[in-house]
Amino acid sequence: AQSVTQLDSQVPVFEEAPVELRCNYSSSVSVYLFWYVQYPNQGLQLLLKYLSGSTLVKGINGFEAEFNKSQTSFHLRKPSVHISDTAEYFCAVIPNRDDKIIFGKGTRLHILP
Amino acid sequence: GAGVSQSPRYKVAKRGQDVALRCDPISGHVSLFWYQQALGQGPEFLTYFQNEAQLDKSGLPSDRFFAERPEGSVSTLKIQRTQQEDSAVYLCASSLDRTDTQYFGPGTRLTVL
Repeated sequence: AQSVTQLDSQVPVFEEAPVELRCNYSSSVSVYLFWYVQYPNQGLQLLLKYLSGSTLVKGINGFEAEFNKSQTSFHLRKPSVHISDTAEYFCAVIPNRDDKIIFGKGTRLHILP
Repeated sequence: GAGVSQSPRYKVAKRGQDVALRCDPISGHVSLFWYQQALGQGPEFLTYFQNEAQLDKSGLPSDRFFAERPEGSVSTLKIQRTQQEDSAVYLCASSLDRTDTQYFGPGTRLTVL
């Protein structure tokens, strides 16, 4: 079965420091990749997605992610975090065009003052 | 414009009761999805509609779970004879097509006592 692994359940980082949230997926012939953010008491919001083309994807709020096919990874990065980035981040994959989306368990980002 | 809305936002049910959860998708969105999100977990797929057709219900955990979208717009997720393990946040999402960006509602938090 296809799977998505978010290695870190929680990531503490100081404000204005860089952050990387890791995501690995089980390999597939073709794959669509997503990062969603869930702010406290709100629904999930799409940060960015990779469907094809450039492996470096830029999203909202200064986030970006890089698709690495050989390492089956799609890590999320931001060069300088803000207190407002405190949220839970979910990596997700659609393994094939007609398959259902599979979410990771999420990584909670804690911004330290 | 209006996003995806869900009602009620919170529902407390006694074990054995039936519940009905409503989702109003974004107007014009063909695809509608239901997810179950247990505490500390990522959303897990329940079922998928394309217009009024339920094309995938492989994620429904038991025959106590039933979903419908009779006119291809509003959808209802019904859970019969609720059990404590049904306690979770139920998320609804809609999109233009199956692999397009999914827009999530705020969810319904179901607590079964």
